[in-house]
Amino acid sequence: NAGVTQTPKFQVLKTGQSMTLQCAQDMNHNSMYWYRQDPGMGLRLIYYSASEGTTDKGEVPNGYNVSRLNKREFSLRLESAAPSQTSVYFCASSDGGGGNNEQFFGPGTRLTVL
Amino acid sequence: QQQVKQSPQSLIVQKGGISIINCAYENTAFDYFPWYQQFPGKGPALLIAIRPDVSEKKEGRFTISFNKSAKQFSLHIMDSQPGDSATYFCAASKVAGGSYIPTFGRGTSLIVHP
Repeated sequence: NAGVTQTPKFQVLKTGQSMTLQCAQDMNHNSMYWYRQDPGMGLRLIYYSASEGTTDKGEVPNGYNVSRLNKREFSLRLESAAPSQTSVYFCASSDGGGGNNEQFFGPGTRLTVL
Repeated sequence: QQQVKQSPQSLIVQKGGISIINCAYENTAFDYFPWYQQFPGKGPALLIAIRPDVSEKKEGRFTISFNKSAKQFSLHIMDSQPGDSATYFCAASKVAGGSYIPTFGRGTSLIVHP
């Protein structure tokens, strides 16, 4: 099993450009999440999807949109990138509410916005 | 407002010593408290987790101590090894929108000198 995969691994954008970060999991998990990690700030939740067909805002949703394409895939879109969105983005998945709440993280996408 | 406060920000210990990282939370709705370990260039991975109905959980050299009345919990790493050098994040989770949603601390960078 590949676990959680993310593409691309690295990306450089100019201010105002758009892009979509892709995430897929092969663990049949119900819940998927997008985080950003900035130095000294820990992991902050952008959006999450508790199940296929649902999405909810997290702590820092402004400037982002998401799509839960199916149970496996959860994408994050930046419509008009800003330098403040320079960060490392992590996708994660879990079984969701219930006994096992462990989140499995992907390897991350390092995004620089010039 | 920081819902989960983690300290210290960085920690240096000698091989064989004890590493202690502390976290405090405010929201009593949190009912799952995981610790994640992250190596440079990788995504975080679950290390150990505890629920508030127990005061301590031990897995090998790693122990979580939990004080429900004080709303504090800590990670103890016994016999610290250079391979433990990583960033550690505590988190406090609660159910929202049908999924467990963690709020992360800002992280502790641990360096274990040989």
